[in-house]
Amino acid sequence: GAGVSQSPSNKVTEKGKDVELRCDPISGHTALYWYRQRLGQGLEFLIYFQGNSAPDKSGLPSDRFSAERTGESVSTLTIQRTQQEDSAVYLCASSFGPSNQPQHFGDGTRLSIL
Amino acid sequence: QKEVEQNSGPLSVPEGAIASLNCTYSDRGSQSFFWYRQYSGKSPELIMSIYSNGDKEDGRFTAQLNKASQYVSLLIRDSQPSDSATYLCAVNRDSNYQLIWGAGTKLIIKP
Repeated sequence: GAGVSQSPSNKVTEKGKDVELRCDPISGHTALYWYRQRLGQGLEFLIYFQGNSAPDKSGLPSDRFSAERTGESVSTLTIQRTQQEDSAVYLCASSFGPSNQPQHFGDGTRLSIL
Repeated sequence: QKEVEQNSGPLSVPEGAIASLNCTYSDRGSQSFFWYRQYSGKSPELIMSIYSNGDKEDGRFTAQLNKASQYVSLLIRDSQPSDSATYLCAVNRDSNYQLIWGAGTKLIIKP
């Protein structure tokens, strides 16, 4: 596809369940970012992947959160033992290399924890 | 002091007027600057990028960068109701891969 693709678009789950969110970046984009955006709030950085380098996990809020990326393609963000405060929109962005290149966002996954 | 600051608004502008959105940043080494628009319930979309001091124009949008004063602004000419959205400023630190995001300014264009 031409843009960043995220799935599912919406996810409703019960507290304590694990969820997996998927991001397929723009072809050729080596950098991939995950953000969280709570209702009415700004973007909260979670994790960054650049090529084969070790990811920057400095934004992950707890050890319940993890992410993987296979090469320069698909990434999955996993949240274990979900809590109600995890309810938010999870946005994925990709860019052509790091640093001074603009990021392009997917439509996001709206996660609701009951 | 936040690294990237924006007035949260809302900024209310009459239709047809110029909307002026401002952003200040704290790191003098910042090199790349971006404006994104985010409609309610949607993801951010890139409007403008600017890397050099001065003005950069794209249609009704003009980005202005002043590194000495550490601010970047976005002007929207002939504002339309469809411009009503939250505008996010993002700044890239020198030698750093992360964008630092402002909290956004909510813009309302009144018909």
